Amino acid sequence: QQQVKQSPQSLIVQKGGIPIINCAYENTAFDYFPWYQQFPGKGPALLIAIRPDVSEKKEGRFTISFNKSAKQFSLHIMDSQPGDSATYFCAASITSGTYKYIFGTGTRLKVLA
Amino acid sequence: NAGVTQTPKFQVLKTGQSMTLQCAQDMNHNSMYWYRQDPGMGLRLIYYSASEGTTDKGEVPNGYNVSRLNKREFSLRLESAAPSQTSVYFCASDGGKLFFGSGTQLSVL
Repeated sequence: QQQVKQSPQSLIVQKGGIPIINCAYENTAFDYFPWYQQFPGKGPALLIAIRPDVSEKKEGRFTISFNKSAKQFSLHIMDSQPGDSATYFCAASITSGTYKYIFGTGTRLKVLA
Repeated sequence: NAGVTQTPKFQVLKTGQSMTLQCAQDMNHNSMYWYRQDPGMGLRLIYYSASEGTTDKGEVPNGYNVSRLNKREFSLRLESAAPSQTSVYFCASDGGKLFFGSGTQLSVL
């Protein structure tokens, strides 16, 4: 019940394409769903996050879609660029808890020029 | 503002050797974490500390020990390194969102 399942494991798109990364969870107590972006040799950094009271959140070219009834959420990258090539992790947390963050297994995205 | 600082960046150990990974944050956060990252397995929590003086096991604590020396510092110790501990280790602190260090790449031969 604590797992967050992420797919696909890897993704290759052309510049300008819209890669979509999906995550699913079981624990309905999760109330915060962040996405982290990681470049080679660096630590993950928060990209965008959503709470379950909204179905969509946009920040620049990045959009999270959230489906509470299906217990799924996804990251869309509009007009993808080669600089978006990175590994993306979804996560889920219970903000009132002490041990908060469960991470997905990551998606390695490559955007071709 | 340095954020989360980890040392060393790279380390090679022989099986059975010991070492300590250091982590310090300058953001006055209470909670700190140690994760390991392995291909295809994402980020797995080793230990966490909710506040100074407290530590708790995460998902994969075997073979590791931690010390929360003060509010700034949270160290991870491998007492007798094993090849299965070859990984990239990340320290993070929690200020409403996780701030990660740049990682330690550890190889155990």
